Amino acid sequence: GAVVSQHPSRVICKSGTSVKIECRSLDFQATTMFWYRQFPKKSLMLMATSNEGSKATYEQGVEKDKFLINHASLTLSTLTVTSAHPEDSSFYICSASRGLAGGEQFFGPGTRLTVL
Amino acid sequence: DQQVKQNSPSLSVQEGRISILNCDYTNSMFDYFLWYKKYPAEGPTFLISISSIKDKNEDGRFTVFLNKSAKHLSLHIVPSQPGDSAVYFCAANGREGGTSYGKLTFGQGTILTVHP
Repeated sequence: GAVVSQHPSRVICKSGTSVKIECRSLDFQATTMFWYRQFPKKSLMLMATSNEGSKATYEQGVEKDKFLINHASLTLSTLTVTSAHPEDSSFYICSASRGLAGGEQFFGPGTRLTVL
Repeated sequence: DQQVKQNSPSLSVQEGRISILNCDYTNSMFDYFLWYKKYPAEGPTFLISISSIKDKNEDGRFTVFLNKSAKHLSLHIVPSQPGDSAVYFCAANGREGGTSYGKLTFGQGTILTVHP
């Protein structure tokens, strides 16, 4: 149990276009979903926290107008990178929490975004 | 301000021996700790966790020890196997506002290499 999927696994886009990444909890309802970004040889950087039906909470330094997060249901959250630039190229990972004690998060497999 | 620190960027161990990965934290509000394993270009996989009411939790080859007074935890892997080679992240969580658990705070990660 506690499987999280992400789609697509890899995406290549041109500068200026927008890219949507989906995160789904397949076998549980996620009270909260999180979006992370990982830079090469770096730890996971939390970008935002989202709860179903409410606005996402963004971490300091993350542009909410650039990284749009929609948490439409208890099993689906989407991250849209708007007007993508080459510096947005990164590995994006989502996670989902069931709201159990300890706040354990289950991670998706990640999405490799390359902006040309 | 790095609230969770993994001071060893890498660790190399012979197959069959013990791997000990260390993690220190500074926030006394943390009361739940988790270890994740991550392969390149994949999302982290949950390994084992421990609540602050315990000082040890064991699951197969993996044991996590918590020393609250020292604000230190460690992950022991015995016996180590080549397939254990990956990046290991420790993470901490605490009840924000005294009600629910919020976001995880991750360490920088330790690259474990197990040699055959």
